[in-house]
Amino acid sequence: GQQVMQIPQYQHVQEGEDFTTYCNSSTTLSNIQWYKQRPGGHPVFLIQLVKSGEVKKQKRLTFQFGEAKKNSSLHITATQTTDVGTYFCAGNSNSGYALNFGKGTSLLVTP
Amino acid sequence: DGGITQSPKYLFRKEGQNVTLSCEQNLNHDAMYWYRQDPGQGLRLIYYSQIVNDFQKGDIAEGYSVSREKKESFPLTVTSAQKNPTAFYLCASSGRGQGYEQYFGPGTRLTVT
Repeated sequence: GQQVMQIPQYQHVQEGEDFTTYCNSSTTLSNIQWYKQRPGGHPVFLIQLVKSGEVKKQKRLTFQFGEAKKNSSLHITATQTTDVGTYFCAGNSNSGYALNFGKGTSLLVTP
Repeated sequence: DGGITQSPKYLFRKEGQNVTLSCEQNLNHDAMYWYRQDPGQGLRLIYYSQIVNDFQKGDIAEGYSVSREKKESFPLTVTSAQKNPTAFYLCASSGRGQGYEQYFGPGTRLTVT
């Protein structure tokens, strides 16, 4: 079955440093979504990418979808303490209704 | 307010007992999902339903059961057959089909001793 791998599992940065998490699928994805879960909270949708090579920005966050639609990345520029949480990618295969979630990257930002 | 609710927030049970977790949404979503979250394991899909009276097994359905008699409700029963039931359970809903964002409830933390 489809697997979505996410690295790194943990990342600890100083406030102001950049951060990137990577997501790789064993199969081609029809779309990829990103979610953020704050400590003690529930996942909240951030964005969806659909097109090959697509890049979207939300303030300091940049999301990319690979040309082959099998990988994606989330880059945060100049992290802030409010960025703390776990970031999940999740994708649909071409035939499936259910999202397959990566295991997430937990980001810790120290001031 | 529109949203998705789960109750209770914390639940404690003795081993060997079945327990049912509640999930209700008033977002008029066709699709609903149940996930289990363990530390370092991400979100693992237990069951999902794309429409009333229909549901599909996810990756870890063994030891769990669901029903979808109403559009708004998708209760999950954790049976005594589930070997490691202690976990954080998340319910979500979305539009039907691919490409819809999922809205998550606040979760229920189940502890079985």
